[in-house]
Amino acid sequence: KAGVTQTPRYLIKTRGQQVTLSCSPISGHRSVSWYQQTPGQGLQFLFEYFSETQRNKGNFPGRFSGRQFSNSRSEMNVSTLELGDSALYLCASSLGSSGQETQYFGPGTRLLVL
Amino acid sequence: GENVEQHPSTLSVQEGDSAVIKCTYSDSASNYFPWYKQELGKGPQLIIDIRSNVGEKKDQRIAVTLNKTAKHFSLHITETQPEDSAVYFCAASRTNRDDKIIFGKGTRLHILP
Repeated sequence: KAGVTQTPRYLIKTRGQQVTLSCSPISGHRSVSWYQQTPGQGLQFLFEYFSETQRNKGNFPGRFSGRQFSNSRSEMNVSTLELGDSALYLCASSLGSSGQETQYFGPGTRLLVL
Repeated sequence: GENVEQHPSTLSVQEGDSAVIKCTYSDSASNYFPWYKQELGKGPQLIIDIRSNVGEKKDQRIAVTLNKTAKHFSLHITETQPEDSAVYFCAASRTNRDDKIIFGKGTRLHILP
């Protein structure tokens, strides 16, 4: 079974631009969660989507948004990029039926904002 | 809100020695505690987990202990090897699928030759 894939793997943008990241979950998984990882801050939860609906949301500004499609693939968008948005963005998929499921992470998209 | 504290942030141990990473959580309703290992250039991968009805779980060189009264849990790695060098994250969550999982800030483990 193929793992979680994320595209692109690396991205360089300038301040003020917007960016869209993509995540394809493991086949059969209906939940996709997004995290921002920066040195010293660990994994900061952005949001979770389940069956095309946002089920949970972290404490990030409205510039960060996401969506999920009927095939469970998910995208996240960051508008008006700031230098502080430079980070590794990880997505994780799971079946989504309970809180005790293993989350399977993708390799991440490394975003650099100049 | 819910919080998971993880210590230490960095840990260096001699190859063959044991390593211990500790976490505390604030939400007394948490009942699932996974540990993830993140190697360079990869996403975190689950290495072991424990549920609140169990006090200890072991898988070869890795063990996890849970003290629900004190709200803390620990990861123990024995006979450490170079491939154990990585960042380790603890996490806590409830049973309810609508509750998000809370991660600690991670521990960077260095295995010294």
